[in-house]
Amino acid sequence: EPEVTQTPSHQVTQMGQEVILRCVPISNHLYFYWYRQILGQKVEFLVSFYNNEISEKSEIFDDQFSVERPDGSNFTLKIRSTKLEDSAMYFCASRAGSGANVLTFGAGSRLTVL
Amino acid sequence: AQSVTQLDSHVSVSEGTPVLLRCNYSSSYSPSLFWYVQHPNKGLQLLLKYTSAATLVKGINGFEAEFKKSETSFHLTKPSAHMSDAAEYFCVVSEKGYSTLTFGKGTMLLVSP
Repeated sequence: EPEVTQTPSHQVTQMGQEVILRCVPISNHLYFYWYRQILGQKVEFLVSFYNNEISEKSEIFDDQFSVERPDGSNFTLKIRSTKLEDSAMYFCASRAGSGANVLTFGAGSRLTVL
Repeated sequence: AQSVTQLDSHVSVSEGTPVLLRCNYSSSYSPSLFWYVQHPNKGLQLLLKYTSAATLVKGINGFEAEFKKSETSFHLTKPSAHMSDAAEYFCVVSEKGYSTLTFGKGTMLLVSP
């Protein structure tokens, strides 16, 4: 069964450092998403991406965050200058297309900011 | 605005007994509702979905859920729990064409022998 693959599974970084989380969505999917879950809290929507541009973003997704699909297969989330409160599990998801309303999620990347 | 409330943070059952995980939702529109499961170190896996067809929805691994509009509920059930069902379960609502899913806080299902 096709999978969404995320790397790294766990990353520890110092406050102020840049972090890039990588995702390989399912190959024929067109819509891509990042969600995050801070420990003990709900899974929250960050951003959706379609046709090489952001289609929707939450208020969490401020100027410190960016997304990119650099090569047609990877989908990355960059945090420019990490803060302690960025510590969370970050989930990537993808969806086939209009009418296909099921998101397939990856296993997540746990980010710990010290 | 849409929201989801999962009424129990933890549910403990014995193997072979029924499972009930409760979920209530709030939505301004006709919602789509989902249950996802997360096993340790695994991604969020779709169990089942409701999208305005039959109100009783059957999913994978013997799970099912019933959409009750009058009660704004979408409880997840299984007749007989298995040890492998131990995981965290998320009730999810979407009302805007699937771009933004709103998750509940999750219910941890514990299954004892």
